[in-house]
Amino acid sequence: AQSVTQLDSQVPVFEEAPVELRCNYSSSVSVYLFWYVQYPNQGLQLLLKYLSGSTLVKGINGFEAEFNKSQTSFHLRKPSVHISDTAEYFCAVRLTSGSARQLTFGSGTQLTVLP
Amino acid sequence: DGGITQSPKYLFRKEGQNVTLSCEQNLNHDAMYWYRQDPGQGLRLIYYSQIVNDFQKGDIAEGYSVSREKKESFPLTVTSAQKNPTAFYLCASSIDRITDTQYFGPGTRLTVL
Repeated sequence: AQSVTQLDSQVPVFEEAPVELRCNYSSSVSVYLFWYVQYPNQGLQLLLKYLSGSTLVKGINGFEAEFNKSQTSFHLRKPSVHISDTAEYFCAVRLTSGSARQLTFGSGTQLTVLP
Repeated sequence: DGGITQSPKYLFRKEGQNVTLSCEQNLNHDAMYWYRQDPGQGLRLIYYSQIVNDFQKGDIAEGYSVSREKKESFPLTVTSAQKNPTAFYLCASSIDRITDTQYFGPGTRLTVL
């Protein structure tokens, strides 16, 4: 079975600074990878996804993520954050084959952007 | 305006009562899902349905029940057998059978008093 580890539960960062939110996964077979963002008391919004091809994936709101197969990582980055980026971010994986249609989520990283 | 709606946004119930959470989508998606979210634990899958009149248990189905009588609707009932029902409940849907990219509703916060 696959699993996802988000290494930091909380990441504080100053406005206009760069940020990296870390995600590592464990799976014996190939996976699809996703990042979602959740604002307080709201549902999850898809930021970006890696399915195949280029390992650098660009998403909405200026975020990007890089798939590293050898390190089984899918870290999320943004070169300059805004106050409005304050939210919780979830990494998720799904196997590319098999009948199971389950996304496995990490426990989330709370990004707080400070003025 | 297409999307996933969940109602109500906040729900309060007394212990021992069953309660049903609504989830409706007009995206023409085949698959629908229910997740439970607790602080610091991410999302856990309760039930999912790939087609009408069919559904499967997820990781934490005990104390919950669902139905899928219509493609656009997937209500979740939290029964009195669920030992700790207070949580944030999220509904999602997907049309992509391969990558299963899921899109989420706004959620319902259930508080059992």
